[in-house]
Amino acid sequence: QKEVEQDPGPLSVPEGAIVSLNCTYSNSAFQYFMWYRQYSRKGPELLMYTYSSGNKEDGRFTAQVDKSSKYISLFIRDSQPSDSATYLCAMSDSGGYQKVTFGTGTKLQVIP
Amino acid sequence: DTAVSQTPKYLVTQMGNDKSIKCEQNLGHDTMYWYKQDSKKFLKIMFSYNNKELIINETVPNRFSPKSPDKAHLNLHINSLELGDSAVYFCASSAGLTKGADTQYFGPGTRLTVL
Repeated sequence: QKEVEQDPGPLSVPEGAIVSLNCTYSNSAFQYFMWYRQYSRKGPELLMYTYSSGNKEDGRFTAQVDKSSKYISLFIRDSQPSDSATYLCAMSDSGGYQKVTFGTGTKLQVIP
Repeated sequence: DTAVSQTPKYLVTQMGNDKSIKCEQNLGHDTMYWYKQDSKKFLKIMFSYNNKELIINETVPNRFSPKSPDKAHLNLHINSLELGDSAVYFCASSAGLTKGADTQYFGPGTRLTVL
């Protein structure tokens, strides 16, 4: 069993829909949680970074962390075709430049 | 201005050959990383260097050898290439904070195909 599990999708939604992307993890030491977006044939880029449990909002994106359930989510409101990409969750126990463990990514397609 | 650059972008080679991938960052960062992304998009850390010192060395065959001539460069040399080495290799860099949000910036990737 991988330390971080993510539904690979693909997830296909109409433009304007609310998208929910999720990851579960097994390592209770993880405290730092990230979401990366990767467009086709490009490198991943950081979208959201949260510490411990709780919510964080940035524009149309909201990240949620539930450490008691070992479950994190990324919500995208009013999804746009430009949101079509693979979304990778990632986590770390000590933050900083220490090891980051990635999920396998969920491919999202937003249909105009 | 490209923040993290990698060369070459594509690499097609025969089994048994030796090849190198180069990475450079112009962000003034202290930490650099090599990741391998397989066909299922699983991104796995291979190595990281902080101020030219090896920090992370995951279970990687010793055919893979990273070299950091200075803080702005981290190269990856691969000996005796095997079919299973075919993947996209990403270089990344970060400021090198010891705690908290140390955002990693990724290069465009090098797509390695071993025939």
